[in-house]
Amino acid sequence: EIVLTQSPGTLSLSPGEKVTLSCRTSQSVSSAYLAWYQQKPGQAPRLLVYGASNRATGIPDRFSGSGSGTDFSLTITRLEPEDFAVYFCHHYGTTPYTFGQGSRLEI
Amino acid sequence: QVQLVQSGAEVKKPGSSVKVSCKTSGDTFNNHAVNWVRQAPGRGLEWMGGIVPTVGATDYPQKFRGRVTITADASTSTAYMEVRGLQSDDTAVYYCARKDISVAAYAFDVWGQGTMVTVSS
Repeated sequence: EIVLTQSPGTLSLSPGEKVTLSCRTSQSVSSAYLAWYQQKPGQAPRLLVYGASNRATGIPDRFSGSGSGTDFSLTITRLEPEDFAVYFCHHYGTTPYTFGQGSRLEI
Repeated sequence: QVQLVQSGAEVKKPGSSVKVSCKTSGDTFNNHAVNWVRQAPGRGLEWMGGIVPTVGATDYPQKFRGRVTITADASTSTAYMEVRGLQSDDTAVYYCARKDISVAAYAFDVWGQGTMVTVSS
């Protein structure tokens, strides 16, 4: 099983700032199968990025994903108030599919 | 617009079973797998298994094999997940999520609204 470790756990920021969230995998994975989701309280996760760097339909271009091997990141430039949420990375190349423990962005 | 609509909240006794449904509207099952993911209160996401409805193929992580069964009815575009032998630590929100299998790189792009399952004596 591939373990995903996210950092930081919680981050306090202000609107307009830039943030980079990290996701490290316990073994090298294909970047084709690394995704990022956003989750707000009481809501289902929303797909932001798939294949490490491809934005999902309707996702603003202030969200960008990158990385390869065991190190992946999600960058949000110019934080908007609605971006304060929990972010999960996800490996879906081989089963069992696994998720990181999440990074929380707080105002 | 594709939607996954799940059945309502459940309260169950320890040792009992629960079956949650997930109906796809606005699309068919073709070229998609339906996965189930759960989230305990204040916790992260855990993949419980998935099914390719058009062929009936299923896959489960070792942790849930023998206790979880995922099925699908293509005639109604509805997937089901049954969990047996419920315990208090099964209390969670259970989500279904769709994955396009025609392109391997596509992730879980559409999610159901979630079904709260509470296990309590």
